[in-house]
Amino acid sequence: EAQVTQNPRYLITVTGKKLTVTCSQNMNHEYMSWYRQDPGLGLRQIYYSMNVEVTDKGDVPEGYKVSRKEKRNFPLILESPSPNQTSLYFCASSFLRDRGLNTGELFFGEGSRLTVL
Amino acid sequence: DAKTTQPTSMDCAEGRAANLPCNHSTISGNEYVYWYRQIHSQGPQYIIHGLKNNETNEMASLIITEDRKSSTLILPHATLRDTAVYYCIVRGSTLGRLYFGRGTQLTVWP
Repeated sequence: EAQVTQNPRYLITVTGKKLTVTCSQNMNHEYMSWYRQDPGLGLRQIYYSMNVEVTDKGDVPEGYKVSRKEKRNFPLILESPSPNQTSLYFCASSFLRDRGLNTGELFFGEGSRLTVL
Repeated sequence: DAKTTQPTSMDCAEGRAANLPCNHSTISGNEYVYWYRQIHSQGPQYIIHGLKNNETNEMASLIITEDRKSSTLILPHATLRDTAVYYCIVRGSTLGRLYFGRGTQLTVWP
């Protein structure tokens, strides 16, 4: 089954304790990206990756790091989490180009709800 | 980066057509219009996309104006399960940075 898998789905942590949210997709997509969602603010892009070893900042990259060493994985790293990073996080992936029957649609994970105390 | 503007909220009676507008006045020639919806706090789901022609699938229809500066998503017979936040975005074939915004909260009432 084609899917984007995020882990953990829920996490409560404390300020300053490094954490990683993993994202894996099994569709051979070139493009992957991370979003955060906060009440009243919609979805905001944190980072994206156009392919392996190619990453770039979105609208709200401060306090986050990413890496893309393999095509299927795109982990989100919070080196020193702070309470303002308490949020619902989504990972998404897609093909870069609209090839043939591929729509270029984004496939989203189920979300990771992070609380930083 | 092309951004979109959508109304914050709309409502619709069950069984009636829901027409959700989106403005994308800075859209470029090679950028597609995509629509997604998010039910509660689940991951957003793809609905439909188009370049310049009107499109229809089993879920919805997409009407894009001739100048491509705006579009309308049509849910022909809205049901209670269509209550969700609907996002309109524009995306080029190689564009990585995407702007979802706040979307439109559609409430379908019985």
